[in-house]
Amino acid sequence: EVRLVQSAAEVKKPGESLRISCEGSGYTFTIYWIAWVRQMPGKGLEWMGLVYPGDSDIRYSPSFQGQVTISADKSIRTAYLQWSSVKASDTAIYYCARFSVTTDSGSFFDYWGQGTQVSVSS
Amino acid sequence: SDELTQPPSVSVSPGQTARITCSGDALPKQYAYWYQQRPGQAPALIIYKDTERPAGIPERFSGSSSGTIVTLTISGVQAVDEADYYCQSADSSGSYVVFAGGTRLTVL
Repeated sequence: EVRLVQSAAEVKKPGESLRISCEGSGYTFTIYWIAWVRQMPGKGLEWMGLVYPGDSDIRYSPSFQGQVTISADKSIRTAYLQWSSVKASDTAIYYCARFSVTTDSGSFFDYWGQGTQVSVSS
Repeated sequence: SDELTQPPSVSVSPGQTARITCSGDALPKQYAYWYQQRPGQAPALIIYKDTERPAGIPERFSGSSSGTIVTLTISGVQAVDEADYYCQSADSSGSYVVFAGGTRLTVL
């Protein structure tokens, strides 16, 4: 069974650093991209970027380039999303999702983590 | 433009058919995918490659495509189908993921 298990909710003050995680199991972790998706309160889904754990290739959405850092550690089957200095506007639920890239069906998110709530307030 | 556009809301009575559209200039070149997000839950894939259903998705969910518009159809809507639905595709170059703004389906 494919599972993506995300780290627990975080409460931070503006300016603090933060890293959240997503551990994959039930499939070959190194051959599927992992994506991060933001959902701000009451809003829709926004794609942030992708990491390929096999070689740590990373792709960012232009909207999030320079705002966050995405990485992965294949030895522990875990992907990360991190901020060097969080802002109140980073308050959101962050989902990781497995991104399947296929030759005949295109590319899509076939499995999702449960989401990590990040709250930033002074 | 590589943006995708959905109506913010659709309302139907139980047993009726709900149709949710998604429009975008890149859709003739890129496949569309649909996700259901029930309140308080993570999204889940319900349609891929415009018209295909993953295993376990009820037959009442179907997808279609015509030019720059793709449509999610839910036949015989049930109360459990009340959720937000999101269309996803790629930009015209295939380099970036694009989500539409989502449609809230209300079952009256």
